[in-house]
Amino acid sequence: AQKITQTQPGMFVQEKEAVTLDCTYDTSDPSYGLFWYKQPSSGEMIFLIYQGSYDQQNATEGRYSLNFQKARKSANLVISASQLGDSAMYFCAMREENTGNQFYFGTGTSLTVIP
Amino acid sequence: ETGVTQTPRHLVMGMTNKKSLKCEQHLGHNAMYWYKQSAKKPLELMFVYNFKEQTENNSVPSRFSPECPNSSHLFLHLHTLQPEDSALYLCASSRLDTSSGNTIYFGEGSWLTVV
Repeated sequence: AQKITQTQPGMFVQEKEAVTLDCTYDTSDPSYGLFWYKQPSSGEMIFLIYQGSYDQQNATEGRYSLNFQKARKSANLVISASQLGDSAMYFCAMREENTGNQFYFGTGTSLTVIP
Repeated sequence: ETGVTQTPRHLVMGMTNKKSLKCEQHLGHNAMYWYKQSAKKPLELMFVYNFKEQTENNSVPSRFSPECPNSSHLFLHLHTLQPEDSALYLCASSRLDTSSGNTIYFGEGSWLTVV
């Protein structure tokens, strides 16, 4: 079974609007971390935001927030006030405490911001 | 400025060549990784090193040979590659302890083309 599922291969958003990128995960480990990365066309994977499984509040980092719904096993990324520079691939990832250094990545969502 | 640097950024090599990719991390981490990213495929974990010891080798062909002389440096030696090995190769590092909150940080990647 897929550990991380991203069902949106491509998304479009108008500049200055908000957009939600979906991510669901599968784990039986009670302790895990969820991450989002941005990959522009240059190739570098840029860490955006982290959510721990025991965190009570949704993580926020500037214009990025993570909508964490534990019962649904979803960890959607919300980007507010989209900018042209947000156009990139976005990857959701998970790390389980029991499997140590194994990071599981989704297949990514390509986001295009339209002027 | 990234804490993980990769060289070269771009490499074109013939199928009979021998070349190496280099990765250096300046974050004080003790786990390092090689990932392969092919077009329209998810990230594939190739190798993991913890404290210079290889702990993961995901059925990678022997034409890829990793080397980790210390916790800060990681190499990927390439020999008699095939055109299908053309991809973006991403190096990453993280802290070793099993806390699920330990983020993995990536380098800018090395774009490899095998001709």
